[in-house]
Order: sequence, then structure tokens, then C-alpha cells
Amino acid sequence: NAGVTQTPKFRILKIGQSMTLQCTQDMNHNYMYWYRQDPGMGLKLIYYSVGAGITDKGEVPNGYNVSRSTTEDFPLRLELAAPSQTSVYFCASSYEGVHEQYFGPGTRLTVT
Amino acid sequence: GESVGLHLPTLSVQEGDNSIINCAYSNSASDYFIWYKQESGKGPQFIIDIRSNMDKRQGQRVTVLLNKTVKHLSLQIAATQPGDSAVYFCAEQKTSYDKVIFGPGTSLSVIP
Repeated sequence: NAGVTQTPKFRILKIGQSMTLQCTQDMNHNYMYWYRQDPGMGLKLIYYSVGAGITDKGEVPNGYNVSRSTTEDFPLRLELAAPSQTSVYFCASSYEGVHEQYFGPGTRLTVT
Repeated sequence: GESVGLHLPTLSVQEGDNSIINCAYSNSASDYFIWYKQESGKGPQFIIDIRSNMDKRQGQRVTVLLNKTVKHLSLQIAATQPGDSAVYFCAEQKTSYDKVIFGPGTSLSVIP
């Protein structure tokens, strides 16, 4: 199993540009999450999904959108990039009701 | 509101000594507490969890202690090794189906 994969690994965006961060898991987990991690800080939940077709806001959803059309994929969309969105983004997945989340390697995003 | 925080942002330990990482939480309704380890440049990795009806749980070289009276959680690492150098996050969860709230993290450095 590849586990949780994220693309791209690095990206630089100009203010106002859009992009989609991709996340795929091959463990048949029904729960998936998107977090952002600012330098020296903890993880903030952006959005999460408990199954295909179901998404919900986390702590910091503003400026982001998600979709969950399949069990495997959970892309994160930034429509109008702002410098405040400069961060490292982690995708994670887990089985329903299980505390162990499996994290991807992260995407480092810089908005200038 | 909910919050999970750590007493010490950094901790330096001599190789072979035991490490203790502390965490304070404020939401007495949380039922699960989880520890994650994040090595430099990687996503967090699950270490161990404990349910609120327990006060101690042991894993391989790690022990988590929960004191609900003072809302305090700690992670003890026995015989600390250089590979234990990382940032450690405590996290809480109201139920096993709720979102996970992460604390800000403690950086552990192991001195050879």
C-alpha cells in the first residue's frame, strides 16, 4: 500500500491564483482530513469528510473548498490565494471510529 | 472553548534518559487523548492513545498518563534514543467520531 499520497510536494503561487492540492489514499479509509501547519505551530483542521459525498468544515475553512466524489480522493481547492495561506498542508485518513490517522508527506505552499 | 496546550515548547534530554512531555487540556468532555510524533519534513505519526476512563496506558517504550482531576496528560519515553528527536503533539477528541483538536507541540532534542 502507498498509504496517503499528496501532490505536489512544493508550490509557489502568486496572490489571487488558484490551485488544487491532491490527496489520495489506498487503505479504503472512509474518514479523510485536511490540515494546515504554520511554522512552529500545531495542526489546524480545514475540512474533513466521513465518506464519499459528505464534507464538513473544520476550524479554519475560509478560503478553501473540498469535494469527496470517491472514497480514495479528497482534493483541497484554493480559489484566490492569499499570503495568509502560506503553510504546509497535510492530508490524513482513518477508519471510522479509530483514532490513528495516517498522514501524507505534506505540500509546502508559498503565496507571494 | 476547546483547547489543548503544552507546558514546554522545547525539551532537551540526554540519550538514555527518560523523557516526559506534558500537555494541558481544558475540555473535560473529551473522551480520547492521542499523542503524535512528527519528524522533520514528515507528516505526524500516531504513537498512542488513551481513553478518559483510564489513567495509564503503556506501549513500546512509551507510557501515557492521564490525570482528569487537573486536566493533564503526559507522554513518557523510556531510554530516549536519537531517533526520538521530533515534535510531539497531544490531541483530544470528544468521541471517536468527532474531529481531532491538536495542541501546539513540544520539540524534543536528544543529546548524544
